[in-house]
Amino acid sequence: QKEVEQDPGPLSVPEGAIVSLNCTYSNSAFQYFMWYRQYSRKGPELLMYTYSSGNKEDGRFTAQVDKSSKYISLFIRDSQPSDSATYLCAMSRGGSYIPTFGRGTSLIVHP
Amino acid sequence: DVKVTQSSRYLVKRTGEKVFLECVQDMDHENMFWYRQDPGLGLRLIYFSYDVKMKEKGDIPEGYSVSREKKERFSLILESASTNQTSMYLCASSFGGARGTDTQYFGPGTRLTVL
Repeated sequence: QKEVEQDPGPLSVPEGAIVSLNCTYSNSAFQYFMWYRQYSRKGPELLMYTYSSGNKEDGRFTAQVDKSSKYISLFIRDSQPSDSATYLCAMSRGGSYIPTFGRGTSLIVHP
Repeated sequence: DVKVTQSSRYLVKRTGEKVFLECVQDMDHENMFWYRQDPGLGLRLIYFSYDVKMKEKGDIPEGYSVSREKKERFSLILESASTNQTSMYLCASSFGGARGTDTQYFGPGTRLTVL
């Protein structure tokens, strides 16, 4: 079993839909949780960062962490074609230098 | 804003050539990383460095070496390029030390093709 599991998709939704992207993990020591967005042929860019459990909102994006279930989510409201990208989750124990990344979920938002 | 730059966006080399990929960050980060990214395999760590002149092997170091002579610069070297090293190469950096939240900031990537 991989430490971080992420469905590769692609996930195809119509413009305006609410998108839910998810990762599960097995290491209960993870405390820091990140979401990256990667456009085609570009490097990943940090989208959201949360510590421990709970929700964090930034504009149309909400990151949610459920440590009891070892499950994290990224919600995108009012999705736009410009949100079409691959979304990678990442998590770490803190105090270590190297996050563990999911393989990414490809999202396609069609007009 | 953190800025990580990579020397080339696209590179085409021949089998057996020595290849240098350079990465520079401007945020005084202590940690720097080299990954390769292939379809279906995700990000795989090649090497990382947590200080000048220090380096540690990642998950797939074979066929690669690195150099960190200055804090802001981390180079990846392919001693003798092979076709199976055709990939997207990504450099990243993070604060490290007591401030370490492990959040990594990535460069734009270098798409390397070895013929």
